[in-house]
Amino acid sequence: DPKIIQKPKYLVAVTGSEKILICEQYLGHNAMYWYRQSAKKPLEFMFSYSYQKLMDNQTASSRFQPQSSKKNHLDLQITALKPDDSATYFCASSQEPTNTGQLYFGEGSKLTVL
Amino acid sequence: QQQVRQSPQSLTVWEGETAILNCSYENSAFDYFPWYQQFPGEGPALLISILSVSDKKEDGRFTIFFNKREKKLSLHIADSQPGDSATYFCAARGNTNTGKLTFGDGTVLTVKP
Repeated sequence: DPKIIQKPKYLVAVTGSEKILICEQYLGHNAMYWYRQSAKKPLEFMFSYSYQKLMDNQTASSRFQPQSSKKNHLDLQITALKPDDSATYFCASSQEPTNTGQLYFGEGSKLTVL
Repeated sequence: QQQVRQSPQSLTVWEGETAILNCSYENSAFDYFPWYQQFPGEGPALLISILSVSDKKEDGRFTIFFNKREKKLSLHIADSQPGDSATYFCAARGNTNTGKLTFGDGTVLTVKP
């Protein structure tokens, strides 16, 4: 059974719209992350959260907003979508942010922006 | 400037051969290097990792060789199997407490039976 659940697996959006990517982890981890994988760039770190607090933000745009309503949830809201946002977004988790040796990834949410 | 580079982009070997995947990095502050394996439609999964204080790490058929002076490392997959066909990512962790990993572009490995 997958321990990190991402929803939806696939989504298509129109330019200018807004989408929320859902992530829940059932590993009992305290740190959660978002990474992006696009055709043009390597797997790219976006955010890290620890105990529901933002630890690091490497995303230049404020259009990307993580939301942590519970310790094991880290959703990603993306507003004013652009075609360049098309990518697969991976949620990940680890026991602690310093323990990325045991980083577990979800299966990803593939976003296509038309 | 890409901080972690991988070569080759793609590699094809025959079953039973040793596949060698290369990785280099720029940042001297990187202290930990995991390799991830990714199959189509799945998320990356940790395969093997090494700390910068070591020069070699083995786990079954998988071995990492690390050269800190040259800022290079390589993943050797011995006795390659068709099931090893996947994309392999080299990653690096800087000296931070935020959990950020920097990934290379990946090497697509194909093992022919």
